[in-house]
Amino acid sequence: GAGVSQSPSNKVTEKGKDVELRCDPISGHTALYWYRQSLGQGLEFLIYFQGNSAPDKSGLPSDRFSAERTGGSVSTLTIQRTQQEDSAVYLCASSHSPDTQYFGPGTRLTVL
Amino acid sequence: KQEVTQIPAALSVPEGENLVLNCSFTDSAIYNLQWFRQDPGKGLTSLLLIQSSQREQTSGRLNASLDKSSGRSTLYIAASQPGDSATYLCAVRNTDKLIFGTGTRLQVFP
Repeated sequence: GAGVSQSPSNKVTEKGKDVELRCDPISGHTALYWYRQSLGQGLEFLIYFQGNSAPDKSGLPSDRFSAERTGGSVSTLTIQRTQQEDSAVYLCASSHSPDTQYFGPGTRLTVL
Repeated sequence: KQEVTQIPAALSVPEGENLVLNCSFTDSAIYNLQWFRQDPGKGLTSLLLIQSSQREQTSGRLNASLDKSSGRSTLYIAASQPGDSATYLCAVRNTDKLIFGTGTRLQVFP
């Protein structure tokens, strides 16, 4: 079956613009995670969804970052007023059990 | 706060060598530890998962050990091949999320 998909694969934007990143999880996976991989920072947790609710959003770096999930499926990560330090690869993962997360290929965001 | 460290940061070896990658973590209260492989432009692929009650896991040429009390894990790769070239990440599961190390970039040359 299909894996986790993310779109776009690459996004270049200008500082100050808003961007939306999309994640399509594996069908039937109730949990969805967003991570960010920055140069020199490693891979860090952003937010976790169980169904449509987000019991853990502790990793969101600022109030410019928000995420939602609808219908227990697709999730969108929105970054408002982008800054150059937001440049990173944003990875999404989904799972049906806590031990196994399946990762998408990521969205590479470049803020000029 | 849980911190995960991996050494070395990079490794370049000739084909056929046996390798050891190291991972250390500061808080031993983990559910499990996983080793992932990341290829450029692709997502992460889980290689081995060790539950907190286990000592090691093996898959083919890969063997991972876990010493929870000392906060250490090692990934052993036997008879390395050029196809093993990738970045290797360890991650500990802390409640619902994974906390990753910064990775070891491995290059195996023919």
